[in-house]
Amino acid sequence: AQSVTQLGSHVSVSEGALVLLRCNYSSSVPPYLFWYVQYPNQGLQLLLKYTSAATLVKGINGFEAEFKKSETSFHLTKPSAHMSDAAEYFCAVSVALTGGYNKLIFGAGTRLAVHP
Amino acid sequence: GAVVSQHPSRVICKSGTSVKIECRSLDFQATTMFWYRQFPKKSLMLMATSNEGSKATYEQGVEKDKFLINHASLTLSTLTVTSAHPEDSSFYICSARSSAFTGELFFGEGSRLTVL
Repeated sequence: AQSVTQLGSHVSVSEGALVLLRCNYSSSVPPYLFWYVQYPNQGLQLLLKYTSAATLVKGINGFEAEFKKSETSFHLTKPSAHMSDAAEYFCAVSVALTGGYNKLIFGAGTRLAVHP
Repeated sequence: GAVVSQHPSRVICKSGTSVKIECRSLDFQATTMFWYRQFPKKSLMLMATSNEGSKATYEQGVEKDKFLINHASLTLSTLTVTSAHPEDSSFYICSARSSAFTGELFFGEGSRLTVL
């Protein structure tokens, strides 16, 4: 069964510092992987997705993630943190269902705090 | 990107009453919608998969008679929390699938239910 594990429920960085949010996946088939961001009392916004094309995926707001099959990882990075990046981040894997549909399985989430 | 709208964004009700939450895809047809529940500071838990014109598929442990899901059209799915109790208080988020191939989902803004 597919699953994702996010290491670190809380990450705190200084403004301008590198952001690294970790995600490892488990999948018996080539996975589709996603990173979503959630601001307080809001839904989820897609940051980026990996769908078996380029292993380095660039997303919105300067974020990117690299798919590493050998490490079963899909870590999210941003070179320079901004105060507005403070939010909850979720890694997710797409699970195929019968009939061609699919559902997302989410990791536990990582809360990113950015301090001046 | 595709837009998914939820209504209401916030609802407060008395214990024992029923509450209906709507999820609409505004600019695309959604053959499949998903309903998630999110507890405070927790990840998203998939409740059910809703397919247009057919019965919803519920995840293990989710009471289908408690959480009624209807997907009557390609742009609307509803979640009705029947005989709500305080433990049903939560943040409910819907998502709609844009394409089976990539697995990308678009999320609504969420609906916060508070049962007194």
